Amino acid sequence: GAGVSQSPSNKVTEKGKDVELRCDPISGHTALYWYRQRLGQGLEFLIYFQGNSAPDKSGLPSDRFSAERTGESVSTLTIQRTQQEDSAVYLCASSLASVAAYNEQFFGPGTRLTVL
Amino acid sequence: GDSVTQMEGPVTLSEEAFLTINCTYTATGYPSLFWYVQYPGEGLQLLLKATKADDKGSNKGFEATYRKETTSFHLEKGSVQVSDSAVYFCALSETRGGSNYKLTFGKGTLLTVNP
Repeated sequence: GAGVSQSPSNKVTEKGKDVELRCDPISGHTALYWYRQRLGQGLEFLIYFQGNSAPDKSGLPSDRFSAERTGESVSTLTIQRTQQEDSAVYLCASSLASVAAYNEQFFGPGTRLTVL
Repeated sequence: GDSVTQMEGPVTLSEEAFLTINCTYTATGYPSLFWYVQYPGEGLQLLLKATKADDKGSNKGFEATYRKETTSFHLEKGSVQVSDSAVYFCALSETRGGSNYKLTFGKGTLLTVNP
């Protein structure tokens, strides 16, 4: 079956503009995660969705960042008034959610965002 | 908070050499531990995992043992191949309310294997 997909694969924008990044998780995966990877850094957690609700938004770096999920499927990460420090690869992952042991997170290919 | 520290690269080896990439962690609870791999031009993939102390995760000739006493999860392979060239990430996940949760990653180690 299809894996996690993300669009666009690359986005170049000017400082101050808004951007929207899209994630299509694996069908049936109720958990969805956003991470970002800045140059020379590890992946940083941004936000976690269980279904359409986000029980943990603690990783969002500022109020310019927001995310939503609809239909327990597609998620959109929006960055308003982009800054150069927002330049990074934004990764989405999805997993089955259960009350059992760890469920593997499957990652998308990422969106490379460059803010000029 | 939780954190993962892994050996910084880059690491360059000849084919058939022995590989060790060190990883240590700090966690408030009892985490599950993982190694992820990112091959050139591809997305992150789970390589192996261990969910409790003394568990050994293994896959594709790679192994890592969950050592609670040293808070470590070092990745090893006895004989690397050119195709193992990739970036390797150590990560942990703590369960909350019985469910798996966000991953905390190390910075990654770039491995290059020369023929």
